[in-house]
Amino acid sequence: DGGITQSPKYLFRKEGQNVTLSCEQNLNHDAMYWYRQDPGQGLRLIYYSQIVNDFQKGDIAEGYSVSREKKESFPLTVTSAQKNPTAFYLCASSIVGQGKVGYTFGSGTRLTVV
Amino acid sequence: DAKTTQPPSMDCAEGRAANLPCNHSTISGNEYVYWYRQIHSQGPQYIIHGLKNNETNEMASLIITEDRKSSTLILPHATLRDTAVYYCIAHSGAGSYQLTFGKGTKLSVIP
Repeated sequence: DGGITQSPKYLFRKEGQNVTLSCEQNLNHDAMYWYRQDPGQGLRLIYYSQIVNDFQKGDIAEGYSVSREKKESFPLTVTSAQKNPTAFYLCASSIVGQGKVGYTFGSGTRLTVV
Repeated sequence: DAKTTQPPSMDCAEGRAANLPCNHSTISGNEYVYWYRQIHSQGPQYIIHGLKNNETNEMASLIITEDRKSSTLILPHATLRDTAVYYCIAHSGAGSYQLTFGKGTKLSVIP
């Protein structure tokens, strides 16, 4: 079945460490996105990519980095510069260029700084 | 994207219809109304979308007012598994493809 796989589901990081969250899709979607969700809040866009080797900052990109070397993969690195990284991270993908902007989300990674 | 306004929370008795309102008074002519829902600790799930006409699928119905300034998502027979946060989003689908998810409405289905 097609879908998006995020790994790991839970991640613990020590302060000062970088950590990379994985996101893989086999839906042949052009666009991919990373969102952050804090308790009781909506989703905030970190980065997005509409095509391989190109990506754009979202609303809260500071302290994060991404790459898009393959269509299927869009890893997110949470760097030590991110002041408050503990959150629920969601990856999504969508088809570009059609009237329906139908997102498919992964199941998320919960990052905790210890 | 046009701003949308939703009540923060609603309750619904199990088996009854759940009617979730959304206000989007500044929506432009080419913006669709999308509904997603998020069950606790999972990624959001697409439910339905529409432009002007009412829409129905296996999950829900979407009623859009004639002036398009508001809409209602209807879950015809709510079950406990429908307890979730429901997001209403206005988006044109042209140019940029990133959706803006607000705080949504927390629907609690009560036995």
